[in-house]
Amino acid sequence: AQKITQTQPGMFVQEKEAVTLDCTYDTSDQSYGLFWYKQPSSGEMIFLIYQGSYDEQNATEGRYSLNFQKARKSANLVISASQLGDSAMYFCAMREASRAGNNRKLIWGLGTSLAVNP
Amino acid sequence: AAGVIQSPRHLIKEKRETATLKCYPIPRHDTVYWYQQGPGQDPQFLISFYEKMQSDKGSIPDRFSAQQFSDYHSELNMSSLELGDSALYFCASSPGTSGGHTYEQYFGPGTRLTVT
Repeated sequence: AQKITQTQPGMFVQEKEAVTLDCTYDTSDQSYGLFWYKQPSSGEMIFLIYQGSYDEQNATEGRYSLNFQKARKSANLVISASQLGDSAMYFCAMREASRAGNNRKLIWGLGTSLAVNP
Repeated sequence: AAGVIQSPRHLIKEKRETATLKCYPIPRHDTVYWYQQGPGQDPQFLISFYEKMQSDKGSIPDRFSAQQFSDYHSELNMSSLELGDSALYFCASSPGTSGGHTYEQYFGPGTRLTVT
């Protein structure tokens, strides 16, 4: 069965410092995608970054980068130069590609609550 | 850029009532997903539609039903509401997959349902 594990229920970081949010996954598929979403207290779910299982380079999007270690089945999110507005819940999720094209749901971790201190 | 639209944003219902949540995906996205997120929990997949056909089903109660219409908007119908149905309901859309690559799901702002 597919599973996402986020072992850090809560994290603190000082403003302007970098922080790494852990995510490990389990899947038997060879083709899959890994996602990070941010959920502020207002509730919306904001897409941050995506890493495909066949992508050879780590994904980057502005201050977000994904440290993808396929052999270890980990996909940690690195946020550089933290800002107060980064305080939110962060979810790691995985979507498996199906050749039939009809099994595309996201499987979620339990999330990590990040607090950025001034 | 156009985003996923959900309506209503907030809904208050009493036990045993019915509710209908609407979702308008991003134009040209062919797949719609519904998720339920209880307080302090991760989202739980309910159901998805690909090209107006149900493509996958998750932990959706029998009291709930959903469909995708010809204009690709989707509706989640919830009957005999229970207190435990109080949650944030997200709709997401995706442009689908091509060549084995998976595309990100874009989420709407959610509908916060409160059952009293």
